[in-house]
Amino acid sequence: GAGVSQSPSNKVTEKGKDVELRCDPISGHTALYWYRQSLGQGLEFLIYFQGNSAPDKSGLPSDRFSAERTGGSVSTLTIQRTQQEDSAVYLCASTLTGGNQPQHFGDGTRLSIL
Amino acid sequence: TQLLEQSPQFLSIQEGENLTVYCNSSSVFSSLQWYRQEPGEGPVLLVTVVTGGEVKKLKRLTFQFGDARKDSSLHITAAQPGDTGLYLCAARQTGANNLFFGTGTRLTVIP
Repeated sequence: GAGVSQSPSNKVTEKGKDVELRCDPISGHTALYWYRQSLGQGLEFLIYFQGNSAPDKSGLPSDRFSAERTGGSVSTLTIQRTQQEDSAVYLCASTLTGGNQPQHFGDGTRLSIL
Repeated sequence: TQLLEQSPQFLSIQEGENLTVYCNSSSVFSSLQWYRQEPGEGPVLLVTVVTGGEVKKLKRLTFQFGDARKDSSLHITAAQPGDTGLYLCAARQTGANNLFFGTGTRLTVIP
């Protein structure tokens, strides 16, 4: 595909369940970022990947949050034992190599915890 | 504490009016970007500024990076309904991998 693809676009789940969010970056982009956007707010950085490695995990809010990237491509963000405060839009972005290059965003996954 | 403060938070104006949105911080940044986000979509990059005092123009949009690289402004001339959206500034500190995003300005242009 031409752009960053995220799935699912919407996810509704019960408190305490685990969820997996998927990001397909632009082909050939080595840098991948996850952000969280709460209602009406700016974006909060979660984690950065360069290839399959995550040199910066400083934004993950708790140990219930984890992410991996395989084959230098697809990334999965996992939230365990979800809480209501986890409700937000989770956005993924990729860039060719990182740094000041433009970040290309997907349309996000809207996560609602009941 | 928010690293980047944007003002105003909300702005509703008539078509044809001019407006300015501000992005302020007490920190120095190596670069600053402006994005526009529409409902249900991810942010889309408008511009990147890297030099203190730099001014960039994109049609009716004028972006300025402060001399000290701590603040920026976005000026829109003769606003159009198509300019409606959430405007986000984002900045990178020297050596950092991630972007810090501002709180956003939600602009509505009324036809």
